[in-house]
Amino acid sequence: EAEVAQSPRYKITEKSQAVAFWCDPISGHATLYWYRQILGQGPELLVQFQDESVVDDSQLPKDRFSAERLKGVDSTLKIQPAELGDSAMYLCASSLGVGGSGSRETQYFGPGTRLLVL
Amino acid sequence: AQKITQTQPGMFVQEKEAVTLDCTYDTSDPSYGLFWYKQPSSGEMIFLIYQGSYDQQNATEGRYSLNFQKARKSANLVISASQLGDSAMYFCAMREGDSNYQLIWGAGTKLIIKP
Repeated sequence: EAEVAQSPRYKITEKSQAVAFWCDPISGHATLYWYRQILGQGPELLVQFQDESVVDDSQLPKDRFSAERLKGVDSTLKIQPAELGDSAMYLCASSLGVGGSGSRETQYFGPGTRLLVL
Repeated sequence: AQKITQTQPGMFVQEKEAVTLDCTYDTSDPSYGLFWYKQPSSGEMIFLIYQGSYDQQNATEGRYSLNFQKARKSANLVISASQLGDSAMYFCAMREGDSNYQLIWGAGTKLIIKP
């Protein structure tokens, strides 16, 4: 069964250091999402890609966060410098993203990366 | 105003009993989709079930069913014959319209199944 891959699963870093997360979506999925989830809350969308293009990054703190999906397949989310408040679960999801599926478009998630900033 | 409301922060249910998790939504778009996800303590968000606004029948997937009451704008998840492995956070989410793939998420309900 096709899955979304993410690495690393866990990351501990000190504040002011740089961190990077990687995501490989389900093969053939054109749309990729990065979410941040604080413990006990629902996910918050950080950035959405359609192929290699950013569709929405309105909630991405652009002074320290960056995301890319250069070839329209896998993606990297970077934080530089990390702050204590960045400690959270970072989830990657993908969906088909082709026209016609409309509201039925289902997002499938990877295992997530738990980030702890000390 | 909250677009997705899950009023039960936590629930305890005895194993093998059925459980209903509440979700109400707010939208003026006639075309929308409602999703339920399960998030165990491991962290992965697992898709459970989908209901479209134009679907005539309530969605079912194995032990999961969705009690969709369109006039009341509710989409409650029903889990039959609960198992210990059902203990997790459960999130209700909505997509509005046909062209925006983004989901609006509820705050979640923490379900604990007691042996």
